Amino acid sequence: NAGVTQTPKFRVLKTGQSMTLLCAQDMNHEYMYWYRQDPGMGLRLIHYSVGEGTTAKGEVPDGYNVSRLKKQNFLLGLESAAPSQTSVYFCASRDRINEKLFFGSGTQLSVL
Amino acid sequence: EDQVTQSPEALRLQEGESSSLNCSYTVSGLRGLFWYRQDPGKGPEFLFTLYSAGEEKEKERLKATLTKKESFLHITAPKPEDSATYLCAVQGPGSGSRLTFGEGTQLTVNP
Repeated sequence: NAGVTQTPKFRVLKTGQSMTLLCAQDMNHEYMYWYRQDPGMGLRLIHYSVGEGTTAKGEVPDGYNVSRLKKQNFLLGLESAAPSQTSVYFCASRDRINEKLFFGSGTQLSVL
Repeated sequence: EDQVTQSPEALRLQEGESSSLNCSYTVSGLRGLFWYRQDPGKGPEFLFTLYSAGEEKEKERLKATLTKKESFLHITAPKPEDSATYLCAVQGPGSGSRLTFGEGTQLTVNP
């Protein structure tokens, strides 16, 4: 049972480049989340989804877009990367009843 | 706006030296308070959920308690393998069951 898998694990971008982070879960969870973690800021919610085909903004959504075309996948896109988006990104999922979040191992992104 | 403040930022203990971590929160209508453990280079791992003041939960050397304004994570006779960052989060009312996280307490237990 793989749980929550994030790809890639590391990435370096130049300012203005675009990329997509992939999150896949094999637990049939309804809810999926994208967080970023920065020193001194804690985990902050970027976007989330409560089901296939639905997405909603979190605390810090600017500069990011998401899609949930399949229940098991949640994609986070950066259209034009900025140095302020240098961070560690975590995906998480949970089912409707159990409020326990399962996290992936993270993607370390550097924007130069 | 939900707020979570954890203290101390960092804590260094000797093996066997018990202590407590604090999580103070402000939320309109607490639906749940969560504790997670995060090891370096990994995602957070769930420890406990507390729902109402007076509730307590235990797991091995860890015990979490909850009041109307704060939660404590008590660590009894810690071992080096308890070294990690401990995160507190609250869930308020609203859609999507969103969590607001604190910045965490980095715990180091020396042998």
